[in-house]
Amino acid sequence: QQQVKQSPQSLIVQKGGISIINCAYENTAFDYFPWYQQFPGKGPALLIAIRPDVSEKKEGRFTISFNKSAKQFSLHIMDSQPGDSATYFCAAIPNTGTASKLTFGTGTRLQVTL
Amino acid sequence: EPEVTQTPSHQVTQMGQEVILRCVPISNHLYFYWYRQILGQKVEFLVSFYNNEISEKSEIFDDQFSVERPDGSNFTLKIRSTKLEDSAMYFCASRWPGQGAIYGYTFGSGTRLTVV
Repeated sequence: QQQVKQSPQSLIVQKGGISIINCAYENTAFDYFPWYQQFPGKGPALLIAIRPDVSEKKEGRFTISFNKSAKQFSLHIMDSQPGDSATYFCAAIPNTGTASKLTFGTGTRLQVTL
Repeated sequence: EPEVTQTPSHQVTQMGQEVILRCVPISNHLYFYWYRQILGQKVEFLVSFYNNEISEKSEIFDDQFSVERPDGSNFTLKIRSTKLEDSAMYFCASRWPGQGAIYGYTFGSGTRLTVV
């Protein structure tokens, strides 16, 4: 119940295309959903985040869509660029407790080709 | 931009040896974390630390692990007797209090621990 399921495991998109990564969760105590971008040898870096009272959030080329009833959320990368090639993790934080630990999805390795 | 600094970047140790991974969190942050990532797998929570004590720990964080904030600036993870399965990338993270502070949840670049 603590898991966050993420798909696909890997994704190849042509430059200029749309990259779509999907996540699903079961724990209704989760109430904050960030996406992280990780380059090889680096730590995860926050990309964009959403709370479940919002159905969509957009920052530049990155958009999160959130479906609370289905307990699913997705990351859309518009006009994908080679520099977007990285591993993307969805994550979730519960509204209980003060530790606010992140539960990560399994990751999606994105490759944007020329 | 403030950074979380981790040292060393790579450590090789023999099985059964003790290792200490070091982190310098962002100076005004109050919550501190260790996560680990086994090669090719997801990032997993190990422990959170607040007000000089552990606030939450995972099943992974057994008696072989300990954390300490010895001098108000460093935050360390000690593994007393390393096992082969402890080989992973270990990430330190820190953040300011409050749910809205998700944007201040900052990860270091990690320490790659290799147990041989």
